[in-house]
Amino acid sequence: NAGVTQTPKFRILKIGQSMTLQCAQDMNHNYMYWYRQDPGMGLKLIYYSVGAGITDKGEVPNGYNVSRSTTEDFPLRLELAAPSQTSVYFCASSYSPALSYGYTFGSGTRLTVV
Amino acid sequence: AQTVTQSQPEMSVQEAETVTLSCTYDTSESDYYLFWYKQPPSRQMILVIRQEAYKQQNATENRFSVNFQKAAKSFSLKISDSQLGDAAMYFCAYRTGTYKYIFGTGTRLKVLA
Repeated sequence: NAGVTQTPKFRILKIGQSMTLQCAQDMNHNYMYWYRQDPGMGLKLIYYSVGAGITDKGEVPNGYNVSRSTTEDFPLRLELAAPSQTSVYFCASSYSPALSYGYTFGSGTRLTVV
Repeated sequence: AQTVTQSQPEMSVQEAETVTLSCTYDTSESDYYLFWYKQPPSRQMILVIRQEAYKQQNATENRFSVNFQKAAKSFSLKISDSQLGDAAMYFCAYRTGTYKYIFGTGTRLKVLA
């Protein structure tokens, strides 16, 4: 099925470990986004990309890095995991940045840092 | 700064009845869009309905409709003929010319059989 695929769905990390959350879309969308959703809160933007090779920071980028070498993939890297990064992470994509376009979201990765 | 407020953490509705979820927002901009997203237990966010700020007519998508009051900065979602599959978290979101949404904290909707 076309859409946004995130892996893994669940992960437990120890403090100080690193990991990469994978995100891939097959809709040829140029615009991709990473959000985190903390319990009882809405989504907050971590990083976004407007095309291959172009990324920029969102509201809460500290502790994360991204890369966009292809249109399809937009991985999110956590370096030196901290308990504050325990959250559900969503990747999303859109065809256009125009205001009228909704996003297509992945099903999320639940990350726990212990 | 723009904010989105959903004051109802949880709502319940009987199957086949109508429920309204509230959302207010704060902005000084004139050009923006408002959205309602549904997040079922599968966690995937699904776009339910969108509203352009410059349109006075309320958006409608099948059983879902909005009551958009621009002056009051209110954007409520009405679900008619509620079904068990409507049970989910519902997020109100605001979008401007920047590359981001501003999401509310969500309302959990329970549908009672």
